[in-house]
Amino acid sequence: QVQLVESGGGLVKPGGSLRLSCAASGLTFSDYYMSWIRQAPGKGLEWVSYISGSGGTIYYADSVKGRFTVSRDNARNSLYLRMNSLRAEDTAVYYCARLAAALDYWGQGTLVTVSS
Amino acid sequence: EIVMTQSPATLSVSPGERATLSCRASQSVSSALAWYQQKPGQAPRLLIYGASTRATGVPAKFSGSGSGTDFTLTISSLQSEDFAVYYCQLYSDWWTFGQGTKVEIK
Repeated sequence: QVQLVESGGGLVKPGGSLRLSCAASGLTFSDYYMSWIRQAPGKGLEWVSYISGSGGTIYYADSVKGRFTVSRDNARNSLYLRMNSLRAEDTAVYYCARLAAALDYWGQGTLVTVSS
Repeated sequence: EIVMTQSPATLSVSPGERATLSCRASQSVSSALAWYQQKPGQAPRLLIYGASTRATGVPAKFSGSGSGTDFTLTISSLQSEDFAVYYCQLYSDWWTFGQGTKVEIK
């Protein structure tokens, strides 16, 4: 069965950086677009980024464009999100998800807290 | 920018009743419209994609409809496990989520 496991969250100071990882299993990883979605505490879902199976197509939400970088390593079945210049408003649970028929499989999320 | 507006923000329903949730786009969109269910402390779960196709394992009590700017998720005969927050999402030319509708027990 498809499993997605995020890691790398934690507490970081404003202006700092963090790299999130998403380990995938139970699927032919390179066949699928993958996406990052976040959810601030007590708030709704916000799409962050997606990347094609080859990595050749990438899109970002305006709120993170220029600060976040999505990448993938198909040999390692892994998705990444490099987050730079972090702000308090980036505090959220970050989910990775597979894009097939919409976002059909989600990880359990990893919490990123940006605070001094 | 396309904005997805869900209504109502909160829907109070008695067990066994039907719930009708709305998602309206700020301009006409494709049928790449999905609905998700999220319970406290859990990741979202895909219910409907392509505006009206149930995802694998989703019971027939969940149905989606609509096109253009107006989309609807209907949940028939609500049971305790159906009380949750529901989000619509556009995932084609523009990616965005609605702000969510909380379905609570009346």
